[in-house]
Amino acid sequence: KAGVTQTPRYLIKTRGQQVTLSCSPISGHRSVSWYQQTPGQGLQFLFEYFSETQRNKGNFPGRFSGRQFSNSRSEMNVSTLELGDSALYLCASSLSAGGREGYTFGSGTRLTVV
Amino acid sequence: GENVEQHPSTLSVQEGDSAVIKCTYSDSASNYFPWYKQELGKRPQLIIDIRSNVGEKKDQRIAVTLNKTAKHFSLHITETQPEDSAVYFCAASRDSTLTFGKGTMLLVSP
Repeated sequence: KAGVTQTPRYLIKTRGQQVTLSCSPISGHRSVSWYQQTPGQGLQFLFEYFSETQRNKGNFPGRFSGRQFSNSRSEMNVSTLELGDSALYLCASSLSAGGREGYTFGSGTRLTVV
Repeated sequence: GENVEQHPSTLSVQEGDSAVIKCTYSDSASNYFPWYKQELGKRPQLIIDIRSNVGEKKDQRIAVTLNKTAKHFSLHITETQPEDSAVYFCAASRDSTLTFGKGTMLLVSP
């Protein structure tokens, strides 16, 4: 079956712009979590959506937001981009909330802010 | 919230040696502890997990141990091979979102 699909794979944006990233989970998975990965900081949790509801949110500013649609696809939006937002953004899908039977990660979107 | 510390940040071993990566967590109510392996340029993949009602779990050359009293858990890789070279992440969860450690880069030299 198809894995977790993230689009686009690469993005280059300038400071102040906004960006939307997309994640399509494995068919049947209702939970989508988003993580920011930067060198030395590991995987930092952004938010988790389950059945179209935001279940948890990490310690990121309000410029970071997301949503989930009825087909479980999720989008993440970052407004007023800053240089420090440059990172690999990973989404992970799981059958149930919290990823307790294991996450399946997508390949990520590499965002570069210049 | 949960805080997960992982050590060491880098680990170099010779092929055939054993490797041990250790993590500590802060929330005594955490009950699920997975380990992920991320090869260069690839996505993290689940390699093994353990739940709080189990003290040890093995899968071929890898094993995970959990000490709930001390709030730490470890990944053990025996007979390391060059293809084990990757970044390994531990994580902890209490019926909620996974909190990850900062990762350990394991380098296995032939």
